[in-house]
Amino acid sequence: GENVEQHPSTLSVQEGDSAVIKCTYSDSASNYFPWYKQELGKRPQLIIDIRSNVGEKKDQRIAVTLNKTAKHFSLHITETQPEDSAVYFCAASSGYALNFGKGTSLLVTP
Amino acid sequence: SAVISQKPSRDICQRGTSLTIQCQVDSQVTMMFWYRQQPGQSLTLIATANQGSEATYESGFVIDKFPISRPNLTFSTLTVSNLSPEDSSIYLCSVDPGTGVGDEQFFGPGTRLTVL
Repeated sequence: GENVEQHPSTLSVQEGDSAVIKCTYSDSASNYFPWYKQELGKRPQLIIDIRSNVGEKKDQRIAVTLNKTAKHFSLHITETQPEDSAVYFCAASSGYALNFGKGTSLLVTP
Repeated sequence: SAVISQKPSRDICQRGTSLTIQCQVDSQVTMMFWYRQQPGQSLTLIATANQGSEATYESGFVIDKFPISRPNLTFSTLTVSNLSPEDSSIYLCSVDPGTGVGDEQFFGPGTRLTVL
């Protein structure tokens, strides 16, 4: 089955800096790659996703890039703010089921 | 996106008992999913619940332990049976409101289960 690796497990940045989280996947049939943000005690929230026919997608301060050949995708957050502090999960899917990475705990310090 | 609710939001149960969790969506959806999130961990898919057919379970999860019902396109239940402390987790339902493969999934608020 699909195996999704996510790095780093923790990330601390200063407010205003950029944050990058990377994921790799094993199943070449995967074609959908969402990112979720989960604040403490809350449900995971979909923040951005990318499909296999696209190399990059941007939504304001967040962007996702996909390299299908290398089977990796990344989340980029620019101009980080304290409210960006949360756990971020990447996922990959070749059908309906999502396979999640282990998560990255992002801390943005003022 | 769909509005998803779960009941109960949390519960404390004795070992050996069962807990049934309800998931309600405000619109008809084809695909509903049940996930488990152990403390401080990632999300693991338990099963896919399709209306009108048996649920499809992932490796490591069996129907006897996690029976699922999907009586209509807006509702599903997950039962966690014969509880043990290892079942203490957050259980989340999610829905895929789209019609194609690889559409977004949106999560319910979760049910926090503690087994004593």
